[in-house]
Amino acid sequence: NAGVTQTPKFQVLKTGQSMTLQCAQDMNHNSMYWYRQDPGMGLRLIYYSASEGTTDKGEVPNGYNVSRLNKREFSLRLESAAPSQTSVYFCASSGAGTSRVGELFFGEGSRLTVL
Amino acid sequence: DAKTTQPPSMDCAEGRAANLPCNHSTISGNEYVYWYRQIHSQGPQYIIHGLKNNETNEMASLIITEDRKSSTLILPHATLRDTAVYYCIVRATGNQFYFGTGTSLTVIP
Repeated sequence: NAGVTQTPKFQVLKTGQSMTLQCAQDMNHNSMYWYRQDPGMGLRLIYYSASEGTTDKGEVPNGYNVSRLNKREFSLRLESAAPSQTSVYFCASSGAGTSRVGELFFGEGSRLTVL
Repeated sequence: DAKTTQPPSMDCAEGRAANLPCNHSTISGNEYVYWYRQIHSQGPQYIIHGLKNNETNEMASLIITEDRKSSTLILPHATLRDTAVYYCIVRATGNQFYFGTGTSLTVIP
């Protein structure tokens, strides 16, 4: 049982390049989330998906797109990376079947640097 | 969801109880209080949550005031491994988790 798996764990991009962060969960959760965390700051919600086929904007969606490919996978795409998007990105999931209602399960994070 | 206010940092001696306060004066009747912590740069980890009654689990205790406008997370015997950032979040079921900046707890040997 791997929980929430994010790839890649580290990535360096040049300004203007594009990339996709992948996230997969094996807990049969309905809801999935993408957060970013800048140095010394709390987590900010980028996008979330309450169920397969739906996505909604969070606090800081500009510059990002998401795809809920199926129930397991939720990807985050940067179409034209900017230095302001240098951050640590966390994927999380939640759903029925957990012993604690509403508990979020997080991946290990993806550290992105945009030069 | 209601906004929360936490002190930016706190220290606690190893072996003593760590009491982390959180104010949520605008909390609504259907909103739960959740606590998460983040160790180093790992993903946040669930600790405990409650609605109106005090709660206890293997990690911590949560004390919610009768008017629900504030709460305290208690780590009964803090260890060095409890050094982390602790987030207090108020959330209604079905809504999203919005993390603030939390309280940075340092457990001192």
